[in-house]
Amino acid sequence: KQEVTQIPAALSVPEGENLVLNCSFTDSAIYNLQWFRQDPGKGLTSLLLIQSSQREQTSGRLNASLDKSSGRSTLYIAASQPGDSATYLCAVGNDYKLSFGAGTTVTVRA
Amino acid sequence: DGGITQSPKYLFRKEGQNVTLSCEQNLNHDAMYWYRQDPGQGLRLIYYSQIVNDFQKGDIAEGYSVSREKKESFPLTVTSAQKNPTAFYLCASSIQTGPGEQFFGPGTRLTVL
Repeated sequence: KQEVTQIPAALSVPEGENLVLNCSFTDSAIYNLQWFRQDPGKGLTSLLLIQSSQREQTSGRLNASLDKSSGRSTLYIAASQPGDSATYLCAVGNDYKLSFGAGTTVTVRA
Repeated sequence: DGGITQSPKYLFRKEGQNVTLSCEQNLNHDAMYWYRQDPGQGLRLIYYSQIVNDFQKGDIAEGYSVSREKKESFPLTVTSAQKNPTAFYLCASSIQTGPGEQFFGPGTRLTVL
């Protein structure tokens, strides 16, 4: 069974600092890995999708890396802004399903 | 606008009642999913459907039922057999299972009174 862990559970940084969010998983036989953002009481917004054959994916200030062999992915958010405050979820794709971590809640202080 | 809609946004249920949560998508996606989210936990898969008239149990299907009579619609019924139904329910879809990139609706918060 795939286990997905996100550490830390919460993170508070001053505006402008770069964010580094970690995700680890136990089964390296994955199809893909997806990073989501969730605002309080809302659904999930897809940020980046990395296929198993890729090492990284970039979109604007966001960059996600994938190391299948070590079972790790990292989401980098450059020059954080208060609007980046949210919970970030990592989800690993195996067969027909996604397995989710519990998320990292980020607060960016103005 | 293409997307996934869920209704209602908030739902209250009395003990012993069945309730149905709606999920509709106009993305022409084949696959649809239902997840449950509890505070401090990751999402857990309840049911998924790859094509019309077919669906499969996920990790926590007990006390829930679904139907997939139309490609656009995947309603979830929370039955009285579900002992702890208070949670945030999220519907998602993808072009196909595999899994492909999943897109989520805004969610329904169910509270048992």
